[in-house]
Amino acid sequence: SQQGEEDPQALSIQEGENATMNCSYKTSINNLQWYRQNSGRGLVHLILIRSNEREKHSGRLRVTLDTSKKSSSLLITASRAADTASYFCATDSGGSNYKLTFGKGTLLTVNP
Amino acid sequence: GAGVSQTPSNKVTEKGKYVELRCDPISGHTALYWYRQSLGQGPEFLIYFQGTGAADDSGLPNDRFFAVRPEGSVSTLKIQRTERGDSAVYLCASSLAGGFYEQFFGPGTRLTVL
Repeated sequence: SQQGEEDPQALSIQEGENATMNCSYKTSINNLQWYRQNSGRGLVHLILIRSNEREKHSGRLRVTLDTSKKSSSLLITASRAADTASYFCATDSGGSNYKLTFGKGTLLTVNP
Repeated sequence: GAGVSQTPSNKVTEKGKYVELRCDPISGHTALYWYRQSLGQGPEFLIYFQGTGAADDSGLPNDRFFAVRPEGSVSTLKIQRTERGDSAVYLCASSLAGGFYEQFFGPGTRLTVL
């Protein structure tokens, strides 16, 4: 079963705009990770945020985590055509810190 | 350094056949994971190895699926009597140790069962 659920399912923006994707989950977690996937193949790890953290930055990426609402958001600033991909959030289950549960992903299209 | 590699990249087989999918983790990573991703879905956990032993195989869908990691490095996912519903991308990941470490994924093996 899938715990995380990304919203929206698809997002289309122009180059230079910001893109925000949201993720909701159901059970308690130790950490939440965001991945990018191009063309339905290998996943690239973007960022990991632990349950005791509220915000994290990495380059043009900003991730927030609200454990009270069981939700996270991924913001990509100044988007580029190369950011076009599917983005997934993945959570561990509180009792198992290795088994990642992924949502269905958000398909981001950045138009040049 | 080299990332996680998987072979073959594509595998087409007929219903009822046996297949083996191979994963080479990042050198020094003790934890290894297999996931399966169907079209339009996120990856789903199959099995987790810590060293040579399967610490958690709760995601394997049935007894036609089996995985080994005899020397604590390379892993092979084995599927017997393949069914059309087994068609998916099989992803392997490794991490420095189990839990609290980011998982690095390979490019996947796309399995098509005709």
